[in-house]
Amino acid sequence: AQKITQTQPGMFVQEKEAVTLDCTYDTSDQSYGLFWYKQPSSGEMIFLIYQGSYDEQNATEGRYSLNFQKARKSANLVISASQLGDSAMYFCAMRDPGGYNKLIFGAGTRLAVHP
Amino acid sequence: NAGVTQTPKFRILKIGQSMTLQCTQDMNHNYMYWYRQDPGMGLKLIYYSVGAGITDKGEVPNGYNVSRSTTEDFPLRLELAAPSQTSVYFCASSYSGDNEQFFGPGTRLTVL
Repeated sequence: AQKITQTQPGMFVQEKEAVTLDCTYDTSDQSYGLFWYKQPSSGEMIFLIYQGSYDEQNATEGRYSLNFQKARKSANLVISASQLGDSAMYFCAMRDPGGYNKLIFGAGTRLAVHP
Repeated sequence: NAGVTQTPKFRILKIGQSMTLQCTQDMNHNYMYWYRQDPGMGLKLIYYSVGAGITDKGEVPNGYNVSRSTTEDFPLRLELAAPSQTSVYFCASSYSGDNEQFFGPGTRLTVL
């Protein structure tokens, strides 16, 4: 069965530094998609970045980049130049290969950015 | 565009009561989803729909029902509420099977 593992319950980083949030996934399918969402304390889910399994380049969106290592089945989120507003829960998710764009979520990592 | 809207924002139910969580999207998305998020956990899929009149179960459907009579609306019905249904409920939508999902603000439900 497909599974997403986020092994860091909590992380902290100094403002303006970079931080990596880990995500590993388990699937036997060749075609899949990986997502990162941010959940601030206000509770909404905000889409950050997407990586397709056949994408040859790592995805980037502004200060967010995805370190995709297919052989290791990892899809780590890198946030560069951290800001206080980056303090939030971060969830890694995988598109269920069964179709219909269903998402399987990890348990999340809480990031605290310190001034 | 308002995106995905959910009502109510908060609700307290007594054990055995029923209620409907409303979800509406104005983006003309075909795919809609209901997730629940228990404290300290990731989201789990309850039900989903790929178009009006088409719904199917997700990972945790027991105790819930859905309907999709229009493209815009995807209500979630809780029958005979139980304390185990205390959670935050998120509705989401996507245009197709290849796009990111957009989430509503969530409904925080407590069953006492």
